[in-house]
Amino acid sequence: AQSVSQHNHHVILSEAASLELGCNYSYGGTVNLFWYVQYPGQHLQLLLKYFSGDPLVKGIKGFEAEFIKSKFSFNLRKPSVQWSDTAEYFCAVNAQTGANNLFFGTGTRLTVIP
Amino acid sequence: EAGVTQFPSHSVIEKGQTVTLRCDPISGHDNLYWYRRVMGKEIKFLLHFVKESKQDESGMPNNRFLAERTGGTYSTLKVQPAELEDSGVYFCASSQIRDQETQYFGPGTRLLVL
Repeated sequence: AQSVSQHNHHVILSEAASLELGCNYSYGGTVNLFWYVQYPGQHLQLLLKYFSGDPLVKGIKGFEAEFIKSKFSFNLRKPSVQWSDTAEYFCAVNAQTGANNLFFGTGTRLTVIP
Repeated sequence: EAGVTQFPSHSVIEKGQTVTLRCDPISGHDNLYWYRRVMGKEIKFLLHFVKESKQDESGMPNNRFLAERTGGTYSTLKVQPAELEDSGVYFCASSQIRDQETQYFGPGTRLLVL
């Protein structure tokens, strides 16, 4: 069965600090990888996705993520966070073949202090 | 282009009552998914429609949950009778057939069963 682990439940950073949120997944086949974000009072939005090719993917708002196949990881990074990045971040995977429903991690709440 | 919409945004009901949640996907999206997040846990897949057909309902918790998508447009998810453990946020998502891996989420319906 597929599963996704997000190691940090709550991260608190000051503005301009660098961010790295961990995500590991467990699955026996080839997967697509996603990071979604939910800003306070808003719906889930897609930050970035990886299907194939360059394992370093860039998303919106300066976020990027690196797929490391040998570590089953897809960590999210941003060099310098802003107060407006305060949100909950979700890592998700789905299978490249067959059912394409998403499997999510438990989410990481990021609080950025001005 | 309008996004995925869900109604109601919040619902508070008593144990044993019935609640019906509605999801309107993005126009032209044949794939429609229901997910649920119980407090503190991960977002979990419930079921997937392709047009009006149930493609995968492996995530439905039990037979108190009934989902329909008559006509292949909007979908409803009925919980009857509701139990305390059904409390959570119910998300709907939709995607196109040609880019089905990328799912767009609605704002969710927050359900509280007392």
